Amino acid sequence: GQQVMQIPQYQHVQEGEDFTTYCNSSTTLSNIQWYKQRPGGHPVFLIQLVKSGEVKKQKRLTFQFGEAKKNSSLHITATQTTDVGTYFCAGKNSGGSNYKLTFGKGTLLTVNP
Amino acid sequence: NAGVTQTPKFQVLKTGQSMTLQCAQDMNHEYMSWYRQDPGMGLRLIHYSVGAGITDQGEVPNGYNVSRSTTEDFPLRLLSAAPSQTSVYFCASSYSGQGITEAFFGQGTRLTVV
Repeated sequence: GQQVMQIPQYQHVQEGEDFTTYCNSSTTLSNIQWYKQRPGGHPVFLIQLVKSGEVKKQKRLTFQFGEAKKNSSLHITATQTTDVGTYFCAGKNSGGSNYKLTFGKGTLLTVNP
Repeated sequence: NAGVTQTPKFQVLKTGQSMTLQCAQDMNHEYMSWYRQDPGMGLRLIHYSVGAGITDQGEVPNGYNVSRSTTEDFPLRLLSAAPSQTSVYFCASSYSGQGITEAFFGQGTRLTVV
């Protein structure tokens, strides 16, 4: 079945440093979504990428979707303590169900003020 | 607009007990799903439904049953609880058409089986 790998599993940064998490799928995706989960909270949708090579920005967050639609990344510029949480990518398989999301294991970001 | 409501928020069960985790959404979403979250394992899909009367198994379905009698409700039943089912359970719903299909998650149910 479809697998979505995400690295790194953990990342600790000093406030102001940049952060990147990477996501790789074993199959071509129809789209990829990113979620953020604060400690003790539930996942919250950040963005959806659909097009090959797509790049989207949300303030200090930059999301990319690879040309082959099998990988993606989330980059945070100049981290802040409010960025703390676990970031998940979730892919929808282009060949199968239009509904099922396969989540990566997430990257836990901690920020030292 | 409540979104996705899960009850209970916390539950302790003894091994062998059964229980139902409730999930309701008021967004008229066709697609609903249940995930479990364990440390270092991410979110794993237990069961999902693409509409009333239609359910299917996800990645880790053993020990769980679901039904979808209405669009709004998607309960998850633990038939005979085991310590391995200690986890945080999330219900999610999403729009199933074209465009943005973000998943809306409930607040989660933290289940401990002793």
